[in-house]
Amino acid sequence: SQQGEEDPQALSIQEGENATMNCSYKTSINNLQWYRQNSGRGLVHLILIRSNEREKHSGRLRVTLDTSKKSSSLLITASRAADTASYFCATDAGGSGGSNYKLTFGKGTLLTVNP
Amino acid sequence: NAGVMQNPRHLVRRRGQEARLRCSPMKGHSHVYWYRQLPEEGLKFMVYLQKENIIDESGMPKERFSAEFPKEGPSILRIQQVVRGDSAAYFCASSSGGPRAQYFGPGTRLLVL
Repeated sequence: SQQGEEDPQALSIQEGENATMNCSYKTSINNLQWYRQNSGRGLVHLILIRSNEREKHSGRLRVTLDTSKKSSSLLITASRAADTASYFCATDAGGSGGSNYKLTFGKGTLLTVNP
Repeated sequence: NAGVMQNPRHLVRRRGQEARLRCSPMKGHSHVYWYRQLPEEGLKFMVYLQKENIIDESGMPKERFSAEFPKEGPSILRIQQVVRGDSAAYFCASSSGGPRAQYFGPGTRLLVL
């Protein structure tokens, strides 16, 4: 598997439900970032969590980071149809002495929120 | 409060032509990154530039591709003699440097006929 690999590949839920997406990575990191991409559009930065942080909140988003398991999760609470998009996690490799700017993306989780 | 600007948004070229993609970073950012996204794939790093310097071009093909970020004006990603395999979405991101959030532009979708 590649650095920054999301799971599941696709997720379909009803409006109002919570959505949880996971990301696993291989090397030590400085930080992990989550992005959203609507179909055919650019990436929107959602949240950055540093390697010394365990949890971070932003509005309806909650991100956790477990560096011992090299994994992160993104929780979207009370989902809306407008949350329908692909969600990507991106990691740098700065924590292992590598670059702290070269982000590695997974293939993303396609979230569909049905009204 | 303009974000990262990219133009054109869509570009169609015939095989053998040149493609020139432009990126203006967010105000206050002097670090620019180019990524390529193939269909159904995540983004792949191509090159990292600061003003007048290429810092890391390890993700960029050695031939036909070049990038610059002049002292004045936008960053340019140039693809010479395009081939069908160059068809992709090219995204530019900017940051204030180091391990900080990168903010992405809307992308340029290149189609090579």
